[in-house]
Amino acid sequence: EAGVTQFPSHSVIEKGQTVTLRCDPISGHDNLYWYRRVMGKEIKFLLHFVKESKQDESGMPNNRFLAERTGGTYSTLKVQPAELEDSGVYFCASSQATDRGYGYTFGSGTRLTVV
Amino acid sequence: QKEVEQDPGPLSVPEGAIVSLNCTYSNSAFQYFMWYRQYSRKGPELLMYTYSSGNKEDGRFTAQVDKSSKYISLFIRDSQPSDSATYLCAMKNSGAGSYQLTFGKGTKLSVIP
Repeated sequence: EAGVTQFPSHSVIEKGQTVTLRCDPISGHDNLYWYRRVMGKEIKFLLHFVKESKQDESGMPNNRFLAERTGGTYSTLKVQPAELEDSGVYFCASSQATDRGYGYTFGSGTRLTVV
Repeated sequence: QKEVEQDPGPLSVPEGAIVSLNCTYSNSAFQYFMWYRQYSRKGPELLMYTYSSGNKEDGRFTAQVDKSSKYISLFIRDSQPSDSATYLCAMKNSGAGSYQLTFGKGTKLSVIP
């Protein structure tokens, strides 16, 4: 079984530019999550999709962040325009529909650097 | 006060030692307690989870939860160099539809051969 795949693994962009991160969850996993780790801080929840619907987006920092999940398959997280404080590692995770919220499988993350 | 406190270490032990990792938390609503292991440049990998209080054992790993003290622990017996990683505690409440995990900062462990 393929794991959770994230693209790109690294991205360096200038302040003000746009970046789109992609996550391919494990096939058949209805739940998809985005988390972020800013340097020196804990991993923090951003949002949760159930299929193509946003179940909880309470962790999204501001309206510069836009997450989508096309057809309930892969998901994208767009940051526009990027700011210096957006630098960090963005993790995607997925879990089965029956999961109670702890059976996550995480991807390796996208390391975003805004300069 | 942070919801979850975890000493970031680093922690260095000789091979074969017993390792004790722990977290404290402040949110009484947390009911699910997890330990994740993260190798460098990889995502967190679920090691163990426990619901409510009690102990759980899996091979060389034992997880303990003391809800009265709001304190959780992970013990690693006969530690191996391959156990060298960052260990993250994570918690969530039991509310319907609640899927958010709250993480500690992680403790970096090195097991020296």
